[in-house]
Amino acid sequence: EDQVTQSPEALRLQEGESSSLNCSYTVSGLRGLFWYRQDPGKGPEFLFTLYSAGEEKEKERLKATLTKKESFLHITAPKPEDSATYLCAVQYNAGNNRKLIWGLGTSLAVNP
Amino acid sequence: DTAVSQTPKYLVTQMGNDKSIKCEQNLGHDTMYWYKQDSKKFLKIMFSYNNKELIINETVPNRFSPKSPDKAHLNLHINSLELGDSAVYFCASSQTGSRERTFSYEQYFGPGTRLTVT
Repeated sequence: EDQVTQSPEALRLQEGESSSLNCSYTVSGLRGLFWYRQDPGKGPEFLFTLYSAGEEKEKERLKATLTKKESFLHITAPKPEDSATYLCAVQYNAGNNRKLIWGLGTSLAVNP
Repeated sequence: DTAVSQTPKYLVTQMGNDKSIKCEQNLGHDTMYWYKQDSKKFLKIMFSYNNKELIINETVPNRFSPKSPDKAHLNLHINSLELGDSAVYFCASSQTGSRERTFSYEQYFGPGTRLTVT
């Protein structure tokens, strides 16, 4: 079954304590993997798109990487304003159609 | 300027009623989407329109009917509301260039409409 799994479900860090979030997927015909950030009461906000294994993207304290089975979102020296839910979504071919499925997210809390 | 806007932000209604949620985007995008996010935060695509043409219609009860009067608007009408329809509904848009490239690019989401059915 096509699936996207994110871990951990929740993560609490101290300010400055670097860590990584994981998004693993079991789909064939990957067309792209997306990372979004969602703040409480708001819609998801786009962060990165990764298309092929080995690709990396960076933005401020965030760095996303992709392998054939998973993606990592590395957060370096996080700040309290990085607290949010981080969502991963995978786009893949399903027959003649293109599908997009989302993970349940990792809720990140960064304490000052 | 708000890129993707939805109205209303909150909607409380009784079972059996019919309601609509409106969405507008001023980004000039050619593709718009409706998502449902349940209490477990799972985000599920419901519909997608590319240039006013319905291209994605996931397994959604036919009580839900999207309407796209033009490329900048995608409204969601829900008939005979049920308790299980309670959720946050998000509208999103993207610029894909063609229906074959749906989902290929980043989506911009609206603020969501929290629907509560009592």
